Amino acid sequence: QKEVEQDPGPLSVPEGAIVSLNCTYSNSAFQYFMWYRQYSRKGPELLMYTYSSGNKEDGRFTAQVDKSSKYISLFIRDSQPSDSATYLCAMSAIGQGAQKLVFGQGTRLTINP
Amino acid sequence: SAVISQKPSRDICQRGTSLTIQCQVDSQVTMMFWYRQQPGQSLTLIATANQGSEATYESGFVIDKFPISRPNLTFSTLTVSNMSPEDSSIYLCSGLKEGANVLTFGAGSRLTVL
Repeated sequence: QKEVEQDPGPLSVPEGAIVSLNCTYSNSAFQYFMWYRQYSRKGPELLMYTYSSGNKEDGRFTAQVDKSSKYISLFIRDSQPSDSATYLCAMSAIGQGAQKLVFGQGTRLTINP
Repeated sequence: SAVISQKPSRDICQRGTSLTIQCQVDSQVTMMFWYRQQPGQSLTLIATANQGSEATYESGFVIDKFPISRPNLTFSTLTVSNMSPEDSSIYLCSGLKEGANVLTFGAGSRLTVL
């Protein structure tokens, strides 16, 4: 079993839709949770960063962490064609920070105009 | 955040040859890392590039196959040695500034081995 599981998709939705991207994990030591966005032929860039459980909102993006279920989500509201990319969840344990990130496979998302 | 440049951006290589990928950051970072991104797979950490000393390799990766250098704070190289088609992948350089929790990635080097 992989430490982090992420549905690779592809996921295709119409412009304006609410998108939900999810990851599950098995390591209860994970405390830092991140979402990276990767455009085609580019490196991943950090989109959202949360520590422990709870929600974090940034514009149209909301990250949720449910540590009791070992489940994290990224919601995109009012999705735009420019949101079309691969979204990768990543996480690490206390004391490791960004040095030992464990990534999901990535979900390829397409927003259709 | 730091800007990271990698080259080559892509290459097609023959089985049995070696290729060196270069990574340059625009500002001082304390840590540099090399990742592999295979089709349909997670980003996987290959090693931490240590300045002036041997890299620290993750399980499943060895120095003979992936020799890494980091002669100064802003430059590192990864060599993929004796390549086989299974080495076809995107190789990503990343950097981390001291006290930061955000990894910055280069655009990647897409390697195809025939």
